Amino acid sequence: DTAVSQTPKYLVTQMGNDKSIKCEQNLGHDTMYWYKQDSKKFLKIMFSYNNKELIINETVPNRFSPKSPDKAHLNLHINSLELGDSAVYFCASSQGGLSEQYFGPGTRLTVT
Amino acid sequence: AQSVSQHNHHVILSEAASLELGCNYSYGGTVNLFWYVQYPGQHLQLLLKYFSGDPLVKGIKGFEAEFIKSKFSFNLRKPSVQWSDTAEYFCAGNTNAGKSTFGDGTTLTVKP
Repeated sequence: DTAVSQTPKYLVTQMGNDKSIKCEQNLGHDTMYWYKQDSKKFLKIMFSYNNKELIINETVPNRFSPKSPDKAHLNLHINSLELGDSAVYFCASSQGGLSEQYFGPGTRLTVT
Repeated sequence: AQSVSQHNHHVILSEAASLELGCNYSYGGTVNLFWYVQYPGQHLQLLLKYFSGDPLVKGIKGFEAEFIKSKFSFNLRKPSVQWSDTAEYFCAGNTNAGKSTFGDGTTLTVKP
């Protein structure tokens, strides 16, 4: 009965590869987010989706693309992975943009 | 520009000491404020939130925060910390435009 789930939990891949991280929430929320947390624990929002429409797109490289097949899912696809993409990626969801967010367990991405 | 700043990057306390972590926000309109906690190796969890009303809000595990509009502050407090409070603490603000901003986090280390 996990509220926000992500797969995989760990992802190790080589530079230049393309990978996806999946996120699902069963809370019935209408807004989902992707965050990147670097080695210094800084948390930066990457994207948010509300009712399947992108409402925030921070200054992230266009190699990153969010895909939302329905309002319970927000997947993150990354093309041409670079060393600097290594981080922990968190998915989150909320009911509306003003409410508290519920976070997934995170995906630790390591690019070698 | 919307921003959230946390004054303390790393705080070290002994058990039973009192805690206060600073947070200042800068928003032009309606903002909801939050404190999240991230225990080592885990995802972010909500500690407490302020939407409106009583500026002193109480959260889980004995934490509280006070919203002071004149100072644009939302400081987190706990009268007596425990070793298990060792974690990363994030202040965050959400606006009605759906924009979510997190502070850089404060690492709290509680020595037994």
